[in-house]
Amino acid sequence: DSGVTQTPKHLITATGQRVTLRCSPRSGDLSVYWYQQSLDQGLQFLIQYYNGEERAKGNILERFSAQQFPDLHSELNLSSLELGDSALYFCASSPNTYTYEQYFGPGTRLTVT
Amino acid sequence: GENVEQHPSTLSVQEGDSAVIKCTYSDSASNYFPWYKQELGKRPQLIIDIRSNVGEKKDQRIAVTLNKTAKHFSLHITETQPEDSAVYFCAASNNDKLIFGTGTRLQVFP
Repeated sequence: DSGVTQTPKHLITATGQRVTLRCSPRSGDLSVYWYQQSLDQGLQFLIQYYNGEERAKGNILERFSAQQFPDLHSELNLSSLELGDSALYFCASSPNTYTYEQYFGPGTRLTVT
Repeated sequence: GENVEQHPSTLSVQEGDSAVIKCTYSDSASNYFPWYKQELGKRPQLIIDIRSNVGEKKDQRIAVTLNKTAKHFSLHITETQPEDSAVYFCAASNNDKLIFGTGTRLQVFP
């Protein structure tokens, strides 16, 4: 157990809908990262937050957004869902932006039908 | 842009043999290189990492080597066991996001 928690574990929804994925980092970690893992794309970095502020952005679609709250948990919002958004979504945390080790949560499996 | 290439995509070895997975990165500013093991449907688990000021690091049966000049790094697993079977990902980082390789599916046959 990495200490990073994610909810829900599974999510099934229809195209065009909007969902929110939640992540709680390890105790004391200030930095949260979101990754998408699909069968044909591997692990893709989406976005990073550090202590409430957006720090780095990767290949995140405009339909996707994220935020980190004062208690340091983070939410990833996915809207206007398409079939191709079906994937495993992982968050990872690290103590700060200069401590390199990232520890992954168990992931949320999103299925868009 | 930043890219990490990983080879081979699949690797089958007999129990007790060694396994080697190789990665090449494009961003010369990368300074941190972790390796993750992922079992089916589970989270990636950090198994070993190396920083750019070190050429080699070993942890029991696992070792990682880094060649900064050639911009490549490798994972070596000795005395493989069936429980080593999983997908292994390399990654490279420059102080923030991890750029992952495409993964290597390792199968260890008893």
